[in-house]
Amino acid sequence: GQQVMQIPQYQHVQEGEDFTTYCNSSTTLSNIQWYKQRPGGHPVFLIQLVKSGEVKKQKRLTFQFGEAKKNSSLHITATQTTDVGTYFCAGKQSGAGSYQLTFGKGTKLSVIP
Amino acid sequence: SAVISQKPSRDICQRGTSLTIQCQVDSQVTMMFWYRQQPGQSLTLIATANQGSEATYESGFVIDKFPISRPNLTFSTLTVSNMSPEDSSIYLCSVWTDLYEQYFGPGTRLTVT
Repeated sequence: GQQVMQIPQYQHVQEGEDFTTYCNSSTTLSNIQWYKQRPGGHPVFLIQLVKSGEVKKQKRLTFQFGEAKKNSSLHITATQTTDVGTYFCAGKQSGAGSYQLTFGKGTKLSVIP
Repeated sequence: SAVISQKPSRDICQRGTSLTIQCQVDSQVTMMFWYRQQPGQSLTLIATANQGSEATYESGFVIDKFPISRPNLTFSTLTVSNMSPEDSSIYLCSVWTDLYEQYFGPGTRLTVT
């Protein structure tokens, strides 16, 4: 079955440093989504990437989808304490009628003020 | 976007009993999903619940253990039957919007003693 590997599992950064988390799929994806989950909260949808090579930005967050549609990354510039949480990627496998998302294990980000 | 509420928010239940979790959405949606998340872990899809049809269960989950109802386009229930301590987890419902963005409810934290 489809697997989505996400690294690193944990990341501790000093406030103001940059942060990147990476996702790799064993199969080609039709799209990939990113979520943020604050401690004690539920996953919150951040963005969806659909096109090969797509890059999207949300303020300090930059999301990329690989040319082969098998990998993706989330980069945060100049982290802030409000960025603390676990970031999950979730890939949707190519194939008509499939709504199943496979989630990565997440990257837990800690920001040291 | 979609606003989702879940009841109960948490519960402590005894082994062998059953708990029904309710999920209410503020708009009509076709696709609803039930996930399980162990503390500090990723999300695992239990089943897809479509209105007017039987729920579709993922590998490792069966209808006798996790019966699901979907009586209309804004509501669903998940029952955790004959509970054991291994069922202790956070249960989340989610919906897809017309733009294939996924939104999660706040979750139900279940502890089985």
